Amino acid sequence: KAGVTQTPRYLIKTRGQQVTLSCSPISGHRSVSWYQQTPGQGLQFLFEYFSETQRNKGNFPGRFSGRQFSNSRSEMNVSTLELGDSALYLCASTRAPNIGSGANVLTFGAGSRLTVL
Amino acid sequence: GENVEQHPSTLSVQEGDSAVIKCTYSDSASNYFPWYKQELGKGPQLIIDIRSNVGEKKDQRIAVTLNKTAKHFSLHITETQPEDSAVYFCAALPGNQFYFGTGTSLTVIP
Repeated sequence: KAGVTQTPRYLIKTRGQQVTLSCSPISGHRSVSWYQQTPGQGLQFLFEYFSETQRNKGNFPGRFSGRQFSNSRSEMNVSTLELGDSALYLCASTRAPNIGSGANVLTFGAGSRLTVL
Repeated sequence: GENVEQHPSTLSVQEGDSAVIKCTYSDSASNYFPWYKQELGKGPQLIIDIRSNVGEKKDQRIAVTLNKTAKHFSLHITETQPEDSAVYFCAALPGNQFYFGTGTSLTVIP
């Protein structure tokens, strides 16, 4: 069973550019969430999508956006990159994280490491 | 929203000793509590989880305990080995969004 696949694994951009990261969830998983991880900051929640709808959003500026397609694949976009956007971006999927559903195991991908110069 | 606090932020133990990491949560609606291990350069991997209808769960050298009344849960690693060195995250699920602790960097000294 394939895991969560994130592409690209590594990328380097310059300030002002934009970037798009892709995430393919585990087959059958309909919820995809994104996290930003920087040294010493833990996992900062960006947003969560379920059935193509953004259900939850973290405290990030509007430069960070995302979407989910009908096949549950998701993309996130960061526009007008800043040096502080350098981080590991993690995608995670779950079947449906609802109370009592029994389907809330969250599986992470390996991440996309973004460096902004 | 939910607030998950994790302690300590760093922990060093001698090989063979036990390690304990503690987390507290604020939202009584949380009923699922996973623990993740993140090795350098990798994404977090689920190592054990517990649901609110269970007080303790064990998997070989790893165990998790949950105290719903006090709203805290703990990860226990016994007979630590150098390969246990990693960053560990706890999390809580009160609805449809996971809330993570800030992580504990565990170093096992051979």
